[in-house]
Order: sequence, then C-alpha cells, then structure tokens
Amino acid sequence: AQSVAQPEDQVNVAEGNPLTVKCTYSVSGNPYLFWYVQYPNRGLQFLLKYITGDNLVKGSYGFEAEFNKSQTSFHLKKPSALVSDSALYFCAVRVYNFNKFYFGSGTKLNVKP
Amino acid sequence: DVKVTQSSRYLVKRTGEKVFLECVQDMDHENMFWYRQDPGLGLRLIYFSYDVKMKEKGDIPEGYSVSREKKERFSLILESASTNQTSMYLCASKTSAGGGAETQYFGPGTRLLVL
Repeated sequence: AQSVAQPEDQVNVAEGNPLTVKCTYSVSGNPYLFWYVQYPNRGLQFLLKYITGDNLVKGSYGFEAEFNKSQTSFHLKKPSALVSDSALYFCAVRVYNFNKFYFGSGTKLNVKP
Repeated sequence: DVKVTQSSRYLVKRTGEKVFLECVQDMDHENMFWYRQDPGLGLRLIYFSYDVKMKEKGDIPEGYSVSREKKERFSLILESASTNQTSMYLCASKTSAGGGAETQYFGPGTRLLVL
C-alpha cells in the first residue's frame, strides 16, 4: 500500500534557528514527492517537489528538502526559521496511478519569537 | 497564476439536506480533485476527474457523488448530509502535460458544518 508518514504532529522552534519537518514514504516504484503549506483558513500552497536529479531541492520562501532513497525520506528544512513560517505543512507523494496523490497527516510548525 | 475558486468558504446545513460544493479553475486543467481534510488525518481523496464527464472514486467516496459537465467546473454533491461529513473540503486541479511531475493547485477550501 502507498503511504506517507509525518511522525511529528507539531514542531516547535525558536526564530532564527534551523527547522526540520520530517516525512517518510512507502510507494511502489519511483516517487514524486511534494511539500505544501497551509496557513489558517486557507487552501494548500505548493512549496517544492522532487521528481528526479539532485537530491536537494530548493523551493519557495527559503525552504529546501532532501530526498533520501535509502531511508525513503523527504524532510523539509530551512536554515533560519521566521515567525511567519508558522503554519501546517503537508508532505505528499504521487503514485504509479498518475492522478493519485497521497498526503501525510500534517505537521504544525510553531516558530516562537 | 492558476486560480481555483470554491463557491463558499463556510456552509451550515442540516442532516439529510442535499449539499452542492462547487469548484472552478481557470487554467484549462484536465484533472480536478476533491479532498476532505480532518485533523490528524491529513487530506483524503474523495473523487477525481481526468476529463469532462469522467470520474474516478478516491479513497472515501461513500456518501458523495461528483459532476463534471464542463472542463473548468467540478462539483461535489452530498446526497444526504450527515454529521460525520462535517469537515473542510478542498478542491484541486492540475494539468496532464508534465509527464507526471505536475503540481496540484488548491482552492481556499469550504468549511462545512452539518447539524
């Protein structure tokens, strides 16, 4: 079965510190991996994606993610967190059925001043 | 920029009512999706459509139906609303023209409360 796991419901970090939001996946075949962010009472906004090539992917708002095939992970990172990064983050994977995406349960990021 | 709009941000309905949620996208995308979002469960796919009049069940289609009569519009229908359908509903669309690497674009969501 295809699945995505975000093991942390919540991540707390101080402003200016590096942040990591974790994601692991289980799919048949090569994964296409995505990160989305959701601000309160809003839809999801695309941050970045891994399709192929360089394992380190850079995206919007200074975020980046590292694809690790051996650990089946795609962790989201940022070198220096901002209070405005506080939001709900979702990892997603596209599976062999071209149109289906599976989403993780979401991780709430709290960045404190 | 891709724009996906949903007809209502908030809806309050009574048990047993028929509910229509409308989604419109302006980028000529072939594919459209309906998800529901619940705390701790993330997004779960209800239905998707890859072309006009075409639809496929997602992971939780029970109690829902969909309609896609025009390419830009995808409707979600709750035939007889129940309290366990209280949720946030998100519509998304994407093109088919990226070899599988396409991004989904989401609407702002409709928060439905069934009393």
